[in-house]
Amino acid sequence: DGGITQSPKYLFRKEGQNVTLSCEQNLNHDAMYWYRQDPGQGLRLIYYSQIVNDFQKGDIAEGYSVSREKKESFPLTVTSAQKNPTAFYLCATLDGGRKYFGPGTRLTVT
Amino acid sequence: GEDVEQSLFLSVREGDSSVINCTYTDSSSTYLYWYKQEPGAGLQLLTYIFSNMDMKQDQRLTVLLNKKDKHLSLRIADTQTGDSAIYFCAVLMDSSYKLIFGSGTRLLVRP
Repeated sequence: DGGITQSPKYLFRKEGQNVTLSCEQNLNHDAMYWYRQDPGQGLRLIYYSQIVNDFQKGDIAEGYSVSREKKESFPLTVTSAQKNPTAFYLCATLDGGRKYFGPGTRLTVT
Repeated sequence: GEDVEQSLFLSVREGDSSVINCTYTDSSSTYLYWYKQEPGAGLQLLTYIFSNMDMKQDQRLTVLLNKKDKHLSLRIADTQTGDSAIYFCAVLMDSSYKLIFGSGTRLLVRP
């Protein structure tokens, strides 16, 4: 929370459509992350970026894509190739040892 | 690969202390974290500890780290109903800056 903005809070899409989730930060943090959380489960890392114009796959990157053209922004695209896209998506930044999370976007695909 | 484990559920009576435990496998971790998640919300950073510390206290929260046994615990003193939430333990992998989470412990505080 605080300097990390995720919008919208709730997002609904039809199956087969790509959708992009927004994550913006004004904390001047270099590293940014995307996690997925499924009901009753912990967090799984999708992608992360330690610096502008660079990003790495996390543990469940298939069906997702990201870009990091600006330090402040790390958008996540959920493509039609993602088999089970309905989930709660959390963006985070890292400052030294402290990791901060945005409020999350709940994506529902029907 | 790196693994972080937590018990799934803890129930305590209001006013008692709660102790949530976590074990991890990556011995190179520098930072270890505790997060709180309330229903429908994001994660709130409660506290974190450096790996060269044994204990950190912050008001009602006490974090204990046993690096030899790779065991981390979070103690909440005088637990209140507002403390009911899911608590996640997380470990930062220094080599890649990946943060590995446990599956979360659901804390239920009974009045």
